[in-house]
Amino acid sequence: GQQVMQIPQYQHVQEGEDFTTYCNSSTTLSNIQWYKQRPGGHPVFLIQLVKSGEVKKQKRLTFQFGEAKKNSSLHITATQTTDVGTYFCAGMVPNFGNEKLTFGTGTRLTIIP
Amino acid sequence: EAGVVQSPRYKIIEKKQPVAFWCNPISGHNTLYWYLQNLGQGPELLIRYENEEAVDDSQLPKDRFSAERLKGVDSTLKIQPAELGDSAVYLCASSLTPFRGYSHDEQFFGPGTRLTVL
Repeated sequence: GQQVMQIPQYQHVQEGEDFTTYCNSSTTLSNIQWYKQRPGGHPVFLIQLVKSGEVKKQKRLTFQFGEAKKNSSLHITATQTTDVGTYFCAGMVPNFGNEKLTFGTGTRLTIIP
Repeated sequence: EAGVVQSPRYKIIEKKQPVAFWCNPISGHNTLYWYLQNLGQGPELLIRYENEEAVDDSQLPKDRFSAERLKGVDSTLKIQPAELGDSAVYLCASSLTPFRGYSHDEQFFGPGTRLTVL
């Protein structure tokens, strides 16, 4: 079953409002990656977090990895129409030397201009 | 630099027919992945290759799905026979190397093949 869950499933915000998506794993992750998929497009890599408690920023995007390495969040400040898309976290799940990148269920962001 | 190339982009077939998807990864990328993505869900790994070797095919339904990566470059994913439930987008991705300690290379995805089984 799905080991990496995301909430919310959908988020509609007014342009200029903030947006946050949360990612939770049932197991401790080696690392976590975030991808963005535009409507009709394919996933595009945004960032990777490796260390416990790590925080990284990319302009208006802030990514955080939890202390227990079981959860992560992506926060977008002052959303713009270009932020539309589905945001996936992807956790590297330890598997006896055969780690596997497990994608979350995704959060679909729509912007109301 | 060219990205991951996939063909065809769209395929419509009747159930019980065979179908094949082709992927050309980014030049120099040793690791190649095939994912299945159902509508509204995240990609699910089907198989991972490191060069020519399939190192993780635990999620590949081997009764009807097969894959190959001859010469460690291009790859083909085949379904025979296709079932209605196979309708999905099939994504190919590649990365330079799969695993270095706790850090993993980002995966570059192709545009995908949208399969519709009637």
